[in-house]
Amino acid sequence: GAVVSQHPSRVICKSGTSVKIECRSLDFQATTMFWYRQFPKQSLMLMATSNEGSKATYEQGVEKDKFLINHASLTLSTLTVTSAHPEDSSFYICSARASGGNEQYFGPGTRLTVT
Amino acid sequence: AQSVTQLGSHVSVSEGALVLLRCNYSSSVPPYLFWYVQYPNQGLQLLLKYTTGATLVKGINGFEAEFKKSETSFHLTKPSAHMSDAAEYFCAVSGPSGTYKYIFGTGTRLKVLA
Repeated sequence: GAVVSQHPSRVICKSGTSVKIECRSLDFQATTMFWYRQFPKQSLMLMATSNEGSKATYEQGVEKDKFLINHASLTLSTLTVTSAHPEDSSFYICSARASGGNEQYFGPGTRLTVT
Repeated sequence: AQSVTQLGSHVSVSEGALVLLRCNYSSSVPPYLFWYVQYPNQGLQLLLKYTTGATLVKGINGFEAEFKKSETSFHLTKPSAHMSDAAEYFCAVSGPSGTYKYIFGTGTRLKVLA
């Protein structure tokens, strides 16, 4: 149980375009979803927290207009990287928390490469 | 504020030797503590967690960790390293109460020598 999927697993896009990453909780309802960014050989950096039906809460220094997060249902959250640039290339990982729970369940990650 | 310190960004052990990965935390509230393993280009896999109760926590793949409140530590151990244990390991502590956030350490890369 408690499986989180991400799609796509890898994506390459051209500079200036937008790309959407999906995060789904497959067998539970996710009250809260988290989006992280991980640079090579570094730790996870929390970008934002989203609660179903509410606006996401972004961490300090994260551009909300660049990283659009939508949590429209209890099983799906999306991260859209708008007007992507090479410096946005990174590994993006989502996690989900079930209602009433404290634990986060992590997705497999999405490797974004902006050329 | 909560924080996590992982001592040693790289640890090398011989196959069959003891694995010890260190994690110290600070927390203003009773913490939840976690150890995750990450293989290249993959997400995080939970090894074990401490929430309440028994301070010695056993996890998957033969790993265990002991919560020591007096030392604010949650070190990860495994009696005998296997080649497949080579990976990145992250310690995490629960964030401010009510936020459900995790605060991650900087990670320790474990190398297992044949």
